[in-house]
Amino acid sequence: SAVISQKPSRDICQRGTSLTIQCQVDSQVTMMFWYRQQPGQSLTLIATANQGSEATYESGFVIDKFPISRPNLTFSTLTVSNMSPEDSSIYLCSAETSAPDTQYFGPGTRLTVL
Amino acid sequence: GQQVMQIPQYQHVQEGEDFTTYCNSSTTLSNIQWYKQRPGGHPVFLIQLVKSGEVKKQKRLTFQFGEAKKNSSLHITATQTTDVGTYFCAEISSGNKLTFGGGTRVLVKP
Repeated sequence: SAVISQKPSRDICQRGTSLTIQCQVDSQVTMMFWYRQQPGQSLTLIATANQGSEATYESGFVIDKFPISRPNLTFSTLTVSNMSPEDSSIYLCSAETSAPDTQYFGPGTRLTVL
Repeated sequence: GQQVMQIPQYQHVQEGEDFTTYCNSSTTLSNIQWYKQRPGGHPVFLIQLVKSGEVKKQKRLTFQFGEAKKNSSLHITATQTTDVGTYFCAEISSGNKLTFGGGTRVLVKP
């Protein structure tokens, strides 16, 4: 299994600013992902955080808006840039372990943009 | 990409009763995973089904993968208040990416 922590747990931000969310895993994992979950909705994959290379973004998400870093096998950051109220959501990171294709999720970061 | 549809969207269940939530796809699924998200919490992995017709049980939860691998179900018997939450099915695709269904939000009436 994997234990995942995220910081901050929540934040209230002004439009036009940026927020960086940190995700820390307690063990080395091969795959890390970032998801968005709008209130009362399902989860949507933003991108796969690749260690040592650029993240792989899903349709509708771009690097300029959601830059991602993954400097090592246990840590990743997601930045929400130039925020607008439409970015208000819960952002979750997940990590995949090897057995069996199981993804573990962090507690999420609840972002409110005013 | 793949789209998985879940029904019902909401389920109000009397404590002690059984209920079933369904996950449907128009195309063949390579596998299906189920997650549970408690109110205010994060998704927690429950099970993965891979084989056609596969059935797996976890205590009061029974998971089934359809013979054609286009649908899956989660059946909960003798519902308890601890079963409250949203149940998501998800397909894991190439690159180990998860595509989630819309979820079934379960409320339990004591």
